[in-house]
Amino acid sequence: GAGVSQSPSNKVTEKGKDVELRCDPISGHTALYWYRQSLGQGLEFLIYFQGNSAPDKSGLPSDRFSAERTGGSVSTLTIQRTQQEDSAVYLCASSPQVRGGTDTQYFGPGTRLTVL
Amino acid sequence: SQQGEEDPQALSIQEGENATMNCSYKTSINNLQWYRQNSGRGLVHLILIRSNEREKHSGRLRVTLDTSKKSSSLLITASRAADTASYFCALSGGYNKLIFGAGTRLAVHP
Repeated sequence: GAGVSQSPSNKVTEKGKDVELRCDPISGHTALYWYRQSLGQGLEFLIYFQGNSAPDKSGLPSDRFSAERTGGSVSTLTIQRTQQEDSAVYLCASSPQVRGGTDTQYFGPGTRLTVL
Repeated sequence: SQQGEEDPQALSIQEGENATMNCSYKTSINNLQWYRQNSGRGLVHLILIRSNEREKHSGRLRVTLDTSKKSSSLLITASRAADTASYFCALSGGYNKLIFGAGTRLAVHP
């Protein structure tokens, strides 16, 4: 079936504006993850959703970042009052089930965010 | 820190040569995974090795895991230009997320 999709693929915004990034996970996958990757760096975990459980928000860098997952499917990552240091590629991943993080994660192509 | 550390940071080889990348970590793990990333976008899962396994193969890939030394290696044999990418190890310690290292940038020259 279709893989993980993300939109937009690129987003350029001005400092101080709010942005919303969307992730459509693979159908039937109960776990969804958001990561951030700055240029030339590894992935930084942001937030994790599993079914109807409370999300793990431990990786969100500030209260300007929030995410929701509606109906256990589509997720939206919102960054309020964007700053230049928010510029990065934001990656979404999903996995079919969680057994202590054992599962393979399937990644979307990412959204490249540029804050001017 | 649970983060894996890849070594080397960058590797440049000729087509046909073998490429070896290493990952070291500090805490106990349930499994370790290797991913590939082309052009700074989405990652593709390559292979998963569990803590009770020592070696796994997948095509031209060979992964080893030494839990006593807390290290893993990824070997790509008979490399091709299309193998040019960044390679990341990711640790799973029984928690519901993967912790990624900073990656090794591999360049394979024709």
